[in-house]
Amino acid sequence: DVKVTQSSRYLVKRTGEKVFLECVQDMDHENMFWYRQDPGLGLRLIYFSYDVKMKEKGDIPEGYSVSREKKERFSLILESASTNQTSMYLCASSLNSGAGPSPTYEQYFGPGTRLTVT
Amino acid sequence: KQEVTQIPAALSVPEGENLVLNCSFTDSAIYNLQWFRQDPGKGLTSLLLIQSSQREQTSGRLNASLDKSSGRSTLYIAASQPGDSATYLCAVKGTYKYIFGTGTRLKVLA
Repeated sequence: DVKVTQSSRYLVKRTGEKVFLECVQDMDHENMFWYRQDPGLGLRLIYFSYDVKMKEKGDIPEGYSVSREKKERFSLILESASTNQTSMYLCASSLNSGAGPSPTYEQYFGPGTRLTVT
Repeated sequence: KQEVTQIPAALSVPEGENLVLNCSFTDSAIYNLQWFRQDPGKGLTSLLLIQSSQREQTSGRLNASLDKSSGRSTLYIAASQPGDSATYLCAVKGTYKYIFGTGTRLKVLA
């Protein structure tokens, strides 16, 4: 069974703090993704990575950065947390059928981190 | 720009009913389509994935179909149970990423 784990289920941070969200997958997947989910807006892609040290911006990268130093781990960083970054953050991973950032196979999701910024 | 729509946004049915959830997308150039289930406050669980060359996939009481030319997919749930209550999301894969619909919130009444 594919397992995607996220470091925290719930997190409360103050405005201006630097926040790290960690995601680990145990199935040797090349692709990893960070999404945020907000009521009425659905899931929106923040960043994704198709290989170690590779990263690509998604639809809403502003205010975020990522790090992928090892294949199994993909970190999302909020450089200076703001209240509008209060959200559910979801990490996902998938195999890559070939070269490039095209996940042909299923995406598997972690349990999510509900972040509240006050 | 790809847009994914799920209608209805919410649905309540009595236990035992067969039901259909709809997903439509505007750009037929997709690699695959995936259906997910999400329980409140939890992550997404993959239900079915249909490659662009396929017409349907089945798993237990679930059957998903794909009609690329018309930009539609349906998720059929047979003999619904209260445990099926959840939000169901579809996602289509374009060039490098998935675009998600906003989901259908299903409630199956005992």
